[in-house]
Amino acid sequence: AQSVTQPDIHITVSEGASLELRCNYSYGATPYLFWYVQSPGQGLQLLLKYFSGDTLVQGIKGFEAEFKRSQSSFNLRKPSVHWGDAAEYFCAVVANTNAGKSTFGDGTTLTVKP
Amino acid sequence: NAGVTQTPKFRVLKTGQSMTLLCAQDMNHEYMYWYRQDPGMGLRLIHYSVGEGTTAKGEVPDGYNVSRLKKQNFLLGLESAAPSQTSVYFCASSWGMHEQFFGPGTRLTVL
Repeated sequence: AQSVTQPDIHITVSEGASLELRCNYSYGATPYLFWYVQSPGQGLQLLLKYFSGDTLVQGIKGFEAEFKRSQSSFNLRKPSVHWGDAAEYFCAVVANTNAGKSTFGDGTTLTVKP
Repeated sequence: NAGVTQTPKFRVLKTGQSMTLLCAQDMNHEYMYWYRQDPGMGLRLIHYSVGEGTTAKGEVPDGYNVSRLKKQNFLLGLESAAPSQTSVYFCASSWGMHEQFFGPGTRLTVL
């Protein structure tokens, strides 16, 4: 069965600092990979996705993520964090044999200090 | 386009009461999902549907039923609510293995 691990429950960074959120997955083949963001009281919104091809993918709001097959990782990065980036971030995987069902990590809450 | 909408946004039930949550999408997506979100537990899949007239169990189906009579609607029912079902419920839809589009959520409290 596929699984997703987000090792960091809570991360605090200063505004303007760089950010990296970690995501590791467990699955026999290369799954489809996603990062979603959830602002308080809202539903989840897609930041970016990886299906195949270039392992560095660009998303909305200046985010990017890099797929590393050897490490089974799909870490999310942003060079300079803005206060508006404070939210909860979820990594998700979809196996290509699983009726589109996503497995979500438990999420990482990002706090941005002024 | 409204995307994915959920009704109601908030609800308080007493133990043993029943209710139905409605999810509607206007993107012509085949796949629809119901999740519950609890603090520190991410999203857990309750039931899902891969097309009109089909439903299947997810990770935590007990105590819930669903129906997909129309492609654009996916209903989640609680027949006899329990305090353990206090949660935030999200509906989502997608084209197969592509990204999911989420509704704004329903906050349910069972007393």
